[in-house]
Amino acid sequence: NAGVTQTPKFQVLKTGQSMTLQCAQDMNHEYMSWYRQDPGMGLRLIHYSVGAGITDQGEVPNGYNVSRSTTEDFPLRLLSAAPSQTSVYLCATRGRAGEQFFGPGTRLTVL
Amino acid sequence: AQRVTQPEKLLSVFKGAPVELKCNYSYSGSPELFWYVQYSRQRLQLLLRHISRESIKGFTADLNKGETSFHLKKPFAQEEDSAMYYCALSGRTNAGKSTFGDGTTLTVKP
Repeated sequence: NAGVTQTPKFQVLKTGQSMTLQCAQDMNHEYMSWYRQDPGMGLRLIHYSVGAGITDQGEVPNGYNVSRSTTEDFPLRLLSAAPSQTSVYLCATRGRAGEQFFGPGTRLTVL
Repeated sequence: AQRVTQPEKLLSVFKGAPVELKCNYSYSGSPELFWYVQYSRQRLQLLLRHISRESIKGFTADLNKGETSFHLKKPFAQEEDSAMYYCALSGRTNAGKSTFGDGTTLTVKP
């Protein structure tokens, strides 16, 4: 089992460009979430989903969109990239005991 | 609102010394608490959870509801314990959203 996978591993964008970060899981978990990881700021929740067709905002949703058409996939879209979105993006699923399983991350730089 | 505070951004100890990483939380109700660890060039992973009361890699953490703390402890630190540690809380309400502390970077010196 691959667990949680994310693509790409690295990405450089110019200000104003859009892109989609991919996240897939084969753990059959209903709950998935996207975080951004910034030095000294911990992990901040961007969006989350409790199941296919259901998404909701986290604490820092501005500038990001998500959709959840299947249990396996939870893509994160950056609508118009800004330098403030330079970060490491982590996708995670959550098991029945509440523990989270993280992907390897996407390191995004916006110039 | 749920909140997790890790007061130390950096913690440095010598090999063989005891180590304690502090975590305080605020939550209305009974939270689920976790410690996650991220070793260099590895993904973030679960270290332990309060509900299982287990010891992983020599680490333990006790939930103190009176002090609203969930400190992580190890009696004898090893160099391979050097990593970033995050304390996290999952609420049973609020759609079970998780809140993470800012993290503590632990360095164990030889």
